[in-house]
Amino acid sequence: GENVEQHPSTLSVQEGDSAVIKCTYSDSASNYFPWYKQELGKGPQLIIDIRSNVGEKKDQRIAVTLNKTAKHFSLHITETQPEDSAVYYCAACGAAGGSYIPTFGRGTSLIVHP
Amino acid sequence: EAGVVQSPRYKIIEKKQPVAFWCNPISGHNTLYWYRQNLGQGPELLIRYENEEAVDDSQLPKDRFSAERLKGVDSTLKIQPAELGDSAVYLCASSLDRYEQYFGPGTRLTVT
Repeated sequence: GENVEQHPSTLSVQEGDSAVIKCTYSDSASNYFPWYKQELGKGPQLIIDIRSNVGEKKDQRIAVTLNKTAKHFSLHITETQPEDSAVYYCAACGAAGGSYIPTFGRGTSLIVHP
Repeated sequence: EAGVVQSPRYKIIEKKQPVAFWCNPISGHNTLYWYRQNLGQGPELLIRYENEEAVDDSQLPKDRFSAERLKGVDSTLKIQPAELGDSAVYLCASSLDRYEQYFGPGTRLTVT
């Protein structure tokens, strides 16, 4: 099965700095890579995703890059704000009967200090 | 648009007792997922429904866990009997297409 490694487990930055979270995956058949933000007491919320035919995708302050050859993908958050503080999960998804089933990383706790 | 609704939000039970969780997905979403999230870890899929059919339940511990999705809308996940190791957050998610999943707030289960 798929195995997703996520680093770092904790990331502390100052407001305005950039934050980078990195993930690696093992199954070359995975071809959809979502990122989720989970705030305390809430379910994960999709913030950005990338499909295997694209190397980079950007949405305002958030960007994701994908290197299929090396089997790694990264989340970049620029100009961090205190409200970005949360746990972020990467996932690698393989197709199964018409849906993409995610295998999640263990999460990165991002702390943005004002 | 209302999101995925789950109840109860919190549940504390003694081991060997039964417990049930309820999920109402986003209207029109045919695919429904149940996940378990242990402390400090990402969610792990337990079961996936396409309409009322369970199409992927390989990770569901069938000796004590059961699930149903009547009429292809609401779903219930049951544990009987509960064990100490079942303490976790149980998340329900739904999706309209193959990709984006929308998660509910989860039910935090504590087994004492």
